Amino acid sequence: DIQMTQSPSSLSASVGDRVTITCRASQSVNNYFNWYQQKPRKAPKLLIYAASSLQSGVPSRFSGSGSGTNFTLTITSLQPEDFATYYCQQSYSIPYTFGQGTKLDIK
Amino acid sequence: QVQLQESGPGLVNPSQTLSLTCTVSNGSISSSSYYWSWVRQHPGKGLEWIGYIYYSGSTYYNPSLKSRVTISVDTSNNQFSLKLSSVTAADAAVYYCARAYGTNYYDMDVWGQGTTVTVSS
Repeated sequence: DIQMTQSPSSLSASVGDRVTITCRASQSVNNYFNWYQQKPRKAPKLLIYAASSLQSGVPSRFSGSGSGTNFTLTITSLQPEDFATYYCQQSYSIPYTFGQGTKLDIK
Repeated sequence: QVQLQESGPGLVNPSQTLSLTCTVSNGSISSSSYYWSWVRQHPGKGLEWIGYIYYSGSTYYNPSLKSRVTISVDTSNNQFSLKLSSVTAADAAVYYCARAYGTNYYDMDVWGQGTTVTVSS
């Protein structure tokens, strides 16, 4: 299985901040790589697919970059609704695997 | 837009079979673009991909669960289902169904709200 490692595991930030979350794959996943946002007691929501493509309806303050094994999710100008847990996922090789999550909370 | 809704028992006895159904509305499960997925989340933990099925019936499972998992599709009712046999307390989780965009990057762009399954006698 491809292991996905996110960092940090948790992050405190303020409204208006810029934050970056990273994810590393144990082997190359090309750009078969996605980011999801999950709020408490809700289903995950797709933010970014193919490493850097913004899902329809997702605000442009979210962006993704990377390829191969190293990826980043950047949120510019944090909004109150962005405080949530973020997961990376590889869809290159079955079984598809997720990172352990990064919990973003309010400082 | 397409919506997914999980249904099934919230309580399963140990050693029995967990059975869940996902109903697809406002869209066709027979679309050639999508794979229909199951993902679970243990309490307070991360996400685990269980497997998915294509409308033709082709299935792909997580090897860690493969011996116990069956995913099936019912195109006439626009539903797909999950069966997980010989459950233990370790199978207690929130189970989500999701649509994976197969002609894209297998990103899961539509999710059900999730259903909580408890394993207990």
